[in-house]
Amino acid sequence: KNQVEQSPQSLIILEGKNCTLQCNYTVSPFSNLRWYKQDTGRGPVSLTIMTFSENTKSNGRYTATLDADTKQSSLHITASQLSDSASYICVVSDEGSQGNLIFGKGTKLSVKP
Amino acid sequence: DTAVSQTPKYLVTQMGNDKSIKCEQNLGHDTMYWYKQDSKKFLKIMFSYNNKELIINETVPNRFSPKSPDKAHLNLHINSLELGDSAVYFCASSWGTSGFPYEQYFGPGTRLTVT
Repeated sequence: KNQVEQSPQSLIILEGKNCTLQCNYTVSPFSNLRWYKQDTGRGPVSLTIMTFSENTKSNGRYTATLDADTKQSSLHITASQLSDSASYICVVSDEGSQGNLIFGKGTKLSVKP
Repeated sequence: DTAVSQTPKYLVTQMGNDKSIKCEQNLGHDTMYWYKQDSKKFLKIMFSYNNKELIINETVPNRFSPKSPDKAHLNLHINSLELGDSAVYFCASSWGTSGFPYEQYFGPGTRLTVT
């Protein structure tokens, strides 16, 4: 069964610290993996999209990695800011023109001053 | 100037009523989506349209009927509303379908409350 598991479920860190969020998936065949940031009361915003051949992609202080062999991805946030407080959602798409999207349940990050 | 817009932002209605949520995108994208986010904040895709053609239709009750009059619009009509329909509904759009690594742009969401 295609699944996306994220950990931890929630995380509290101090402003300025780094953190890493994990995403494990069992989706096959694999097409692409996405990380979204969702602020409370807002729609998700895309951070990165990676295909099979990409193993790292950065977007400012956000760096995503992908290991297609072990079916794992991580999202690393450097020098966290209060505005990083949000839910981070990992989404995996399988192959095919339709591309079924399988969502993780998200990691809720709280950055404290 | 909003890329993906939804109306209304809030919708409160009684069980059994019929309601519609409208979505418009001005990005020139050819694919649009409807998502449902439940009280546990879990996002789930409901429908996807590519060039006005339905391409993803998850196991959604047939009380939900999407309609795409043109590539820039994807509306969601819900018949005989039930308590379990209470959620936040997000519209999104992208170039190409989700099988390709195209970024999806989400609207601000419509919070539906069924009483």
